[in-house]
Amino acid sequence: QQQVKQSPQSLIVQKGGISIINCAYENTAFDYFPWYQQFPGKGPALLIAIRPDVSEKKEGRFTISFNKSAKQFSLHIMDSQPGDSATYFCAASKVSGSRLTFGEGTQLTVNP
Amino acid sequence: KAGVTQTPRYLIKTRGQQVTLSCSPISGHRSVSWYQQTPGQGLQFLFEYFSETQRNKGNFPGRFSGRQFSNSRSEMNVSTLELGDSALYLCASSRPANTEAFFGQGTRLTVV
Repeated sequence: QQQVKQSPQSLIVQKGGISIINCAYENTAFDYFPWYQQFPGKGPALLIAIRPDVSEKKEGRFTISFNKSAKQFSLHIMDSQPGDSATYFCAASKVSGSRLTFGEGTQLTVNP
Repeated sequence: KAGVTQTPRYLIKTRGQQVTLSCSPISGHRSVSWYQQTPGQGLQFLFEYFSETQRNKGNFPGRFSGRQFSNSRSEMNVSTLELGDSALYLCASSRPANTEAFFGQGTRLTVV
């Protein structure tokens, strides 16, 4: 049962543009929503995470927007750079770090 | 501070064989989780260990098993390997629950 749906599957953005990746979840018991970045041949690296008691969290060029009523959250990458080209995964869990349910992943390409 | 270390990085096994993968968590982290990553199924949770006890188990057959030692290092074992077990196996560690999970680089298992 797919409990976290992620879109788009792939995304191409020009350097300096904004990359937006969306996720929707089903299980209202989820209370921790991280985003991971994965480069080829590497394991996923934690980028930023949010809990449902806040609607937005910003760290540098990365922002998570969270809509609890819609059961949706999104990742915004401002001023996208070619070095941001990677696969991004949203995830959710009932307890942070524990039993993460991942979205399908978004392959981001930032053109120079 | 050393990250999560997984060994070996690459493995080639024959159908029917068994395999053991190892994970050394970040120092001070006592929770270890295992995930399987494939192009078709994405990232799927296998199991989680904390203080040598399995706390959660994903929807995988009994051929997949794991354990955790008193120093928090963990191993996972897959018996009677099938071609479909070919995947990147990822280990993640976190401090005693309720904190972010950090992934290792994974073990690439190929079953021929």
